[in-house]
Amino acid sequence: DAGITQSPRHKVTETGTPVTLRCHQTENHRYMYWYRQDPGHGLRLIHYSYGVKDTDKGEVSDGYSVSRSKTEDFLLTLESATSSQTSVYFCAISEWASGRTDTQYFGPGTRLTVL
Amino acid sequence: GESVGLHLPTLSVQEGDNSIINCAYSNSASDYFIWYKQESGKGPQFIIDIRSNMDKRQGQRVTVLLNKTVKHLSLQIAATQPGDSAVYFCAEGGSYIPTFGRGTSLIVHP
Repeated sequence: DAGITQSPRHKVTETGTPVTLRCHQTENHRYMYWYRQDPGHGLRLIHYSYGVKDTDKGEVSDGYSVSRSKTEDFLLTLESATSSQTSVYFCAISEWASGRTDTQYFGPGTRLTVL
Repeated sequence: GESVGLHLPTLSVQEGDNSIINCAYSNSASDYFIWYKQESGKGPQFIIDIRSNMDKRQGQRVTVLLNKTVKHLSLQIAATQPGDSAVYFCAEGGSYIPTFGRGTSLIVHP
């Protein structure tokens, strides 16, 4: 998985509790992304980062926040988990630069269940 | 092709057959395309890519064809094996936020 790990791999939590998912890379790639994957929707971008402390929202960012204090770590936080956030979460990395066509590489995923 | 509703399009083939998976993309300005394979319970895995200045690119047992006129991309898998069973989806790249298709489920029967 291109030097990308996600933790935890599985989590069950209750509605209203905070949850933090971690993505760690060893590739020193500049860009990091959080996606969620649900049946019928494919991959949907939650947030992404284009450098340390530089982040931006994706198409489904409501209810999620992120932080990137180091190049290698990108954290996704659900401040107060809801059942609609039950999903599989994937982290991805890339070294995209203008004029280049670097692809994204994905981590193994975290399966989150909110009861 | 792209999925409608909750169910992915499915392609069922016999082991040893050739498989062709199709993808329509929307942005005529896209200049880079990627095919991913996603096995059950795993993250998407890069298979092959192609730039818009090419019509065809070959890898090991896989070939990607690009038809920019009709904005269509296809992935051909030669001599399909049971280990090829997975969801395959295309992505339009060329920027730091690619656009992903919903995928096609390939089922290979021994």
